Amino acid sequence: EAQVTQNPRYLITVTGKKLTVTCSQNMNHEYMSWYRQDPGLGLRQIYYSMNVEVTDKGDVPEGYKVSRKEKRNFPLILESPSPNQTSLYFCASSPGDGYTFGSGTRLTVV
Amino acid sequence: KQEVTQIPAALSVPEGENLVLNCSFTDSAIYNLQWFRQDPGKGLTSLLLIQSSQREQTSGRLNASLDKSSGRSTLYIAASQPGDSATYLCAFKGEEYGNKLVFGAGTILRVKS
Repeated sequence: EAQVTQNPRYLITVTGKKLTVTCSQNMNHEYMSWYRQDPGLGLRQIYYSMNVEVTDKGDVPEGYKVSRKEKRNFPLILESPSPNQTSLYFCASSPGDGYTFGSGTRLTVV
Repeated sequence: KQEVTQIPAALSVPEGENLVLNCSFTDSAIYNLQWFRQDPGKGLTSLLLIQSSQREQTSGRLNASLDKSSGRSTLYIAASQPGDSATYLCAFKGEEYGNKLVFGAGTILRVKS
């Protein structure tokens, strides 16, 4: 089944403890992206990648890092999480037209 | 800056009604527009994708139209069912925004049985 898989689905962590949210797609898509969704602010793009080793900032990149060493994987790294990064995170991939989203990762930073 | 507006913000209808959700965008240089459904706390499920060269797309009881000149897209749901209750999001992809999607705030739909 064609899909975008994110892990974990739920995560509670403490301020400053580095964490990684994984994202993997099995559709051979070149383009991948991370979004966060917050009440009243909607979905906002964090980072995106046009292909392996090509990444760029989206609208809200502060406090996040990404890497794209393989086409299928696009992990989101929070090196020192803060409470304002508590959010619902989505990974997405696209062949160029149309996007497939993962099921989301609900992150709580206390 | 591209803005995407969805009206209404919330809608409650009895089962069986036909309904229309609206999405408007400020930038006419559209590449495509995608409609998604999101259930509470869940991921986004793609419903329909309309390319800029198309006027409409249909999938089952869903029909989405695109009017570039007026900057509008509508999602028509026929014979609504309680299982249609969800948040519906439209996402604009512009010619000048690379691959970024710009989302509307969504319409929360409740279909009462």
